[in-house]
Amino acid sequence: AQKVTQAQTEISVVEKEDVTLDCVYETRDTTYYLFWYKQPPSGELVFLIRRNSFDEQNEISGRYSWNFQKSTSSFNFTITASQVVDSAVYFCALSNTGKLIFGQGTTLQVKP
Amino acid sequence: GAVVSQHPSWVICKSGTSVKIECRSLDFQATTMFWYRQFPKQSLMLMATSNEGSKATYEQGVEKDKFLINHASLTLSTLTVTSAHPEDSSFYICSARDRTATSYNSPLHFGNGTRLTVT
Repeated sequence: AQKVTQAQTEISVVEKEDVTLDCVYETRDTTYYLFWYKQPPSGELVFLIRRNSFDEQNEISGRYSWNFQKSTSSFNFTITASQVVDSAVYFCALSNTGKLIFGQGTTLQVKP
Repeated sequence: GAVVSQHPSWVICKSGTSVKIECRSLDFQATTMFWYRQFPKQSLMLMATSNEGSKATYEQGVEKDKFLINHASLTLSTLTVTSAHPEDSSFYICSARDRTATSYNSPLHFGNGTRLTVT
């Protein structure tokens, strides 16, 4: 069975702090994809990143970075120097068939 | 970028009536569209997968007669909640896969969602 766990339900930080959102997944497949999506208060889901199971290189995109570790089945997301506009719900998701299995989501509140 | 338009954004209906939600890919063709349901402060649960020109595939536990899905063209999929009841109140989100995507694991494009309230 496939499962995604985001243990942090809510996180609150003050602007400019760094914050890491955890994601742990379960799958028996050797080929799979991991995603992070952002859902701002307006409701739409915004794609942030996709990683395949064969690429464990960490990635940095501006203030965002992702750490993928197959040994611990984790795909954590770090926001550096957080901003108020980063406030949203963040979802980690897993796919190997095109269907996305979402984690429970982490609500991030960045206070000014 | 690829845009998925979902309409209406919100709808209030009376118990027993039916509601239709549209999901359109505006600047690309979508062979596959997915419908998700999201309860407040909860995750997105996949309801069904619709492929253009064929019957939708429903996830376990989703009533196909209650949630009618039609994917009549490469740019439009509709979800009709029939005989709606208060427990159907939720946030419904569609997503679409671009026909030209190189992999079925290519990022999906999501609509803005429809908030349904059944009174």
